[in-house]
Amino acid sequence: EAGVAQSPRYKIIEKRQSVAFWCNPISGHATLYWYQQILGQGPKLLIQFQNNGVVDDSQLPKDRFSAERLKGVDSTLKIQPAKLEDSAVYLCASSLRGVGGPYNEQFFGPGTRLTVL
Amino acid sequence: GQQLNQSPQSMFIQEGEDVSMNCTSSSIFNTWLWYKQDPGEGPVLLIALYKAGELTSNGRLTAQFGITRKDSFLNISASIPSDVGIYFCAGCNSGGSNYKLTFGKGTLLTVNP
Repeated sequence: EAGVAQSPRYKIIEKRQSVAFWCNPISGHATLYWYQQILGQGPKLLIQFQNNGVVDDSQLPKDRFSAERLKGVDSTLKIQPAKLEDSAVYLCASSLRGVGGPYNEQFFGPGTRLTVL
Repeated sequence: GQQLNQSPQSMFIQEGEDVSMNCTSSSIFNTWLWYKQDPGEGPVLLIALYKAGELTSNGRLTAQFGITRKDSFLNISASIPSDVGIYFCAGCNSGGSNYKLTFGKGTLLTVNP
């Protein structure tokens, strides 16, 4: 079974530029998550989708970050304009379901390492 | 946002030694998880704990869910070089529509062959 795919793997931009990341979750997984992992820290949830609806975006800096999951499959995360402090690894994860019941394992992609100069 | 207190921050051990790391929180969780992250990869789930007091093993790994629901520990026995990586604890309150994970800052483990 293919895992979570992310692209690009690396991106270097200058501050105030825009950038977009793409995620293809595991086939059939209803729930998709975007995390930000700053160097030396654990991942922090930015946004959670259930199919194509947003479940939690309370930690998403909405003035510059946006995300969408059209058709409930692939997702893109955009930063516009980028700041120096956005330098981090952006991880995408998916799980089979996200509603009710015991914890549903989240499978993580390899991440996109963003450097903002 | 809240992060868990994970210790130690790093460990340097000899191959064959046992390792112990722990995680504490100011709030309770009903699920505790331990992940391992290799360089350039995303975290991979090692062990999930669902009940206070639960002790669970996965090969050489053993983890426990604290009675207070505010802490957990992970033990690795007879370490080998491929155990090298960053280990993260994560707390979750499963149920409902939100499986938001709160992660610790990680423990960097180095194993000297």
